[in-house]
Amino acid sequence: QSALTQPPSASGSLGQSVTISCTGTSSDIGGFTYVSWYQQHPGKVPKLIIYEVSQRPSGVPDRFSGSQSDNVASLIVSGLQADDEAVYYCCAYGGTTNPWLFGGGTKLTVL
Amino acid sequence: QMQLEQSGAEVMKPGSSVKVACEASGGTFNTYTLIWLRQAPGQGLEWMGEISPLGASKYAQKFQGRVTISADDSSRTVYMEVTNLQFEDTAMYYCASPNPYSSCWHCLDFWGQGTPITVSS
Repeated sequence: QSALTQPPSASGSLGQSVTISCTGTSSDIGGFTYVSWYQQHPGKVPKLIIYEVSQRPSGVPDRFSGSQSDNVASLIVSGLQADDEAVYYCCAYGGTTNPWLFGGGTKLTVL
Repeated sequence: QMQLEQSGAEVMKPGSSVKVACEASGGTFNTYTLIWLRQAPGQGLEWMGEISPLGASKYAQKFQGRVTISADDSSRTVYMEVTNLQFEDTAMYYCASPNPYSSCWHCLDFWGQGTPITVSS
């Protein structure tokens, strides 16, 4: 059982938007601004796409955005493209004894 | 820009130990915190432990006493040893690191390619 809770699946049509949630507690998501999101295509290494709740690394399209409200973080993917089909993991800082907490992953299907 | 190269796949017997290597190239080795994670088949990512630039190791409670992370500065290699392997330890094991020159310390910017470990009798 993962420390953070994500829906196992999400879907959207080409060009539409989809939101993936990540639920934690006041000791992790709700307690710090260190929430990140990783994209993993099948057989590939995870790739950082959002950090510190809503920041995008260089090279990540602005179709990817993030937000946080209380103990819930969200990843929004707008203008869905076929290549967005992947598994998305949220990650949060949970303090010095649990510095890297992950969600179970959400498989995004682009219809 | 750092690159991380991991050692190859292993097939291990239950009760045995395995040591996985992660060699860093590029950048200044002892400025990086090196994190180890694993991903069981079809499952999510799990933090196992890490070693700081000063050589201090920290472990997830689940792996305390069974995992040891060490570093060899001369070869720019970080090792993770897992003892008393069980079937449920079958997974892809990754080393990863934040970019110390970035403003984000809680970002896994660099990843090794992964080392598959299979525990089988």
